[in-house]
Amino acid sequence: NAGVTQTPKFQVLKTGQSMTLQCAQDMNHEYMSWYRQDPGMGLRLIHYSVGAGITDQGEVPNGYNVSRSTTEDFPLRLLSAAPSQTSVYFCASSYLRDREAFFGQGTRLTVV
Amino acid sequence: DAKTTQPPSMDCAEGRAANLPCNHSTISGNEYVYWYRQIHSQGPQYIIHGLKNNETNEMASLIITEDRKSSTLILPHATLRDTAVYYCIVRGANAGKSTFGDGTTLTVKP
Repeated sequence: NAGVTQTPKFQVLKTGQSMTLQCAQDMNHEYMSWYRQDPGMGLRLIHYSVGAGITDQGEVPNGYNVSRSTTEDFPLRLLSAAPSQTSVYFCASSYLRDREAFFGQGTRLTVV
Repeated sequence: DAKTTQPPSMDCAEGRAANLPCNHSTISGNEYVYWYRQIHSQGPQYIIHGLKNNETNEMASLIITEDRKSSTLILPHATLRDTAVYYCIVRGANAGKSTFGDGTTLTVKP
């Protein structure tokens, strides 16, 4: 199993550009989440999904869209990038509600 | 999900036990306590979780108080590689909606 795979690992965007951060898991996990981590801070939940076709907002959803068309994939879309979205983005997945979450290695995004 | 409170930082001598506390006074009956750690800027790594009883695995032990309002993660013989940020989170039925605080930065010193 590859686990949770995030692409790209690094990205530089100009203000106003849009892009999609990819997240894929091969463990048949129902639950998937996106977090952002700003320097020196903890993780903040952006969006999450409890299964294909079902998504919901987390703590900081503004400026981001998600969809879950398959169990495996949970892409995060930045609609119009802003410097405030410069951060490290982590995707996570878990199998059941009382099981541990697995995290990807992160996407480091810089918006200039 | 219940919120957690952790000290911002702790030090521990190499080879000694590291005891990391976490308060979760608003935890409800069906919520689990989970511990993760993050080394440098890598993705967080699962350590252990529990509901009521104390738990132990190859990495650590988790002690949950009888009223479940607090817990302690114990690394029995800390090494330099255990230097990391440790997160205590409480997770309920909605597994996807797990919120992290700022965690405890543990520094293991030689």
